[in-house]
Amino acid sequence: DTGVSQDPRHKITKRGQNVTFRCDPISEHNRLYWYRQTLGQGPEFLTYFQNEAQLEKSRLLSDRFSAERPKGSFSTLEIQRTEQGDSAMYLCASSLIPSRGRTNYGYTFGSGTRLTVV
Amino acid sequence: GDSVTQMEGPVTLSEEAFLTINCTYTATGYPSLFWYVQYPGEGLQLLLKATKADDKGSNKGFEATYRKETTSFHLEKGSVQVSDSAVYFCALWSSNDYKLSFGAGTTVTVRA
Repeated sequence: DTGVSQDPRHKITKRGQNVTFRCDPISEHNRLYWYRQTLGQGPEFLTYFQNEAQLEKSRLLSDRFSAERPKGSFSTLEIQRTEQGDSAMYLCASSLIPSRGRTNYGYTFGSGTRLTVV
Repeated sequence: GDSVTQMEGPVTLSEEAFLTINCTYTATGYPSLFWYVQYPGEGLQLLLKATKADDKGSNKGFEATYRKETTSFHLEKGSVQVSDSAVYFCALWSSNDYKLSFGAGTTVTVRA
């Protein structure tokens, strides 16, 4: 397994356009997370999936954002009608489901997709 | 909610100097604590972790001890190298909501 893969690495788009990012998690990981990181800040939680179910969405995730994980494997994050404030690094991570006694539930992050809205 | 606060940077050091980055946390329950590192243009890499009080995480010469009495998880390295130049993030995994929360990051630059 090559870890968590994200595509594309970089995306430049004009304001008002739609963009879609893809994340391929580690195959045995049940959970998949999306984070957003703006310049000079730590990553902020956006949403996460357990298998194909989207269990939580942050209030940061406006109506223009939608995420899917249709078969419990890869996930897509779509931003509609992009705005300049959407410019950021979008990070995907995956992990095993936490359970009592399991200590190896750390997140593995992908390299991120850097979005620039011009 | 659960959160972490880490010292602000940037931090600039000479090679072989001692590095410490402070991190304190606020949490209910039994959080796990992590340090992640981000090299320029890359994603986050797990540097070390500690899952319970008094645990010491270590990797690549870096160490951090989970101190419940001071709610701290300070990162230390005795002799830094130029290759340690990166942004370091303290993170907390909450046992309440099973999510990872990050500090704002500390930029470290090591000069030869």
